[in-house]
Amino acid sequence: GENVEQHPSTLSVQEGDSAVIKCTYSDSASNYFPWYKQELGKGPQLIIDIRSNVGEKKDQRIAVTLNKTAKHFSLHITETQPEDSAVYFCAASKGSNYQLIWGAGTKLIIKP
Amino acid sequence: GAVVSQHPSRVICKSGTSVKIECRSLDFQATTMFWYRQFPKQSLMLMATSNEGSKATYEQGVEKDKFLINHASLTLSTLTVTSAHPEDSSFYICSALTGDNQPQHFGDGTRLSIL
Repeated sequence: GENVEQHPSTLSVQEGDSAVIKCTYSDSASNYFPWYKQELGKGPQLIIDIRSNVGEKKDQRIAVTLNKTAKHFSLHITETQPEDSAVYFCAASKGSNYQLIWGAGTKLIIKP
Repeated sequence: GAVVSQHPSRVICKSGTSVKIECRSLDFQATTMFWYRQFPKQSLMLMATSNEGSKATYEQGVEKDKFLINHASLTLSTLTVTSAHPEDSSFYICSALTGDNQPQHFGDGTRLSIL
């Protein structure tokens, strides 16, 4: 079955710097890759997603890149702000109607 | 858009009590909802997939008689933890699909504490 690995488990960056979180997946049939942000005591919030027919997608300070050949995808956050501090999860599935296979999460800490 | 409301946000009750958690899609109809469990500092663990008008599909290791799921309408799914015990204490989160080939949107979770 599908397996998603996420690194690093904790990432601390200076405010204003960029943050990059990386995920790898094992099932080449996976074609949908969302990223979620979870703040303490709340449910995950979708921040960006990408499908396998696209190599990169950007939304303001957030971007996701996908390398299907290497089976990895990454989240890039530029000009980080204190409110970006949260736990970020990547996930993979064979279509958004299907079960999401989750990464272990990355705790992002933005230092003032 | 795509707002999912979960209620209650927190429950504290005695061992042996049954607890019902509601998950509502407020501005869309959801034929499919998912129920997750999350332990501290861990990822989400899918418990079951709930489809409107049919029986839920439970993941391996999840007791269907322990965690009763009802999805009686296109905007409401409920999870009932029957005869809850301290080991059932956890953060329970639901999500809903807004449509075919659309992402999951999550509620804000229910913190269940069994004394």
